[in-house]
This record gives sequence, C-alpha cells and structure tokens, in this order.
Amino acid sequence: EAGVTQSPTHLIKTRGQQATLRCSPISGHTSVYWYQQALGLGLQFLLWYDEGEERNRGNFPPRFSGRQFPNYSSELNVNALELEDSALYLCASSLVQAVGELFFGEGSRLTVL
Amino acid sequence: SQQGEEDPQALSIQEGENATMNCSYKTSINNLQWYRQNSGRGLVHLILIRSNEREKHSGRLRVTLDTSKKSSSLLITASRAADTASYFCATVAGANSKLTFGKGITLSVRP
Repeated sequence: EAGVTQSPTHLIKTRGQQATLRCSPISGHTSVYWYQQALGLGLQFLLWYDEGEERNRGNFPPRFSGRQFPNYSSELNVNALELEDSALYLCASSLVQAVGELFFGEGSRLTVL
Repeated sequence: SQQGEEDPQALSIQEGENATMNCSYKTSINNLQWYRQNSGRGLVHLILIRSNEREKHSGRLRVTLDTSKKSSSLLITASRAADTASYFCATVAGANSKLTFGKGITLSVRP
C-alpha cells in the first residue's frame, strides 16, 4: 500500500513568488493535515481538511491557503513568499476525522531566496 | 503555539542503555501521541495513549500518562544506534481538535 506522497521534494523560489505543494493521502484516508517545520521551531500546524472541507486552521497569515480535491488529495499554496517561509512542509493523512494516528509524507523542502 | 514541551531537549546515551524522555502539556487532552523523525524526514507514529489510560507498551517502548500532572514519559529500553532520531510528543485537546506537537527531543545513541 502506498504511503502519503508529497511533491515536489525540493522547491527553490525567490521572495514574492508563489509556491504550490501537493499531497496524496493514503488510499481510504479522508483527512489531510499540513504542518510547517522551520529550523528550531518544531512542527507548526497549518491546515486540516476532511471530506473537502477546511476543519481547522493554524495561526498563519491568509497568504497560506489550500484545498482538498474530491479524490482527497490536497494542495498547499503560499503566496508572496518571504524568507522565513523557508521550511520543511509536511503533509499527513488519517483514516478518521477524530484525530488518532497520523501518517506523514517525507515532506517538501521549500527554500526562499 | 506549542502544547507539549519535551524534556530534555537533547539526550546522549550508550547503546544498550535505557532512554527516558518526558513531555508536559498545558490543557486537558483527548489523547497523547509520540512520533519519531529521522534527520529531517517524515514523522513516524510510535504510540498513542488515551486520556483514560495510564500506561501502554509497544515492543521496546513504554509510555506513561499522568493526567493529574499533565505529563507523559516515553521509555525506550535497550537502546540501539538505530534509535538515534528526534522524538516528538503531540496532543489532541478534544474532538475536531488538531494534533499539536512539541519541539522535540534529539536522542543520540552511541554504538
């Protein structure tokens, strides 16, 4: 069974550009979560989608947005990139809406120059 | 904001020794989970303990939960060099609540 897959693995952008990160959950999982892991800051919760709806949102500015598609895959968009957006972006999926075990992808490393 | 805080921030032990890592949290929880991360890669779920449970075992892992002290500990027995990784505790405060992570503990196991 395929795990959570994320693309791209690495992405380099310059300040002011936009970045799009993609995530495919484990087959059968309807919930997708996005986390940002910047150096020294641990994992910061970004967004949670379930059944196509946004269930919860972390304390991030509106230029961080996303969506979940009918096939439960998800996209994270970051507009007007800033240097501090450089981080590992991790996507996770779970089987049920109530938060139990999360299955993580390997992450997309975004570097903003 | 961080819900869980792990202690110590870094731990270095010899192979074969036991490793104990602690996590404290601030609000009432539905469950507490421990994850492992190898060198900037994805996280791997280790164990989940519910608020009405006090202790769980999984292989060489033992997790305890003390809701009165709002704390948990993860014990890895007979550590191996391959256990070298970062370990995170994460909490769920209630239904429809997100999973909130601590900053993690860096464990180094010397061969």
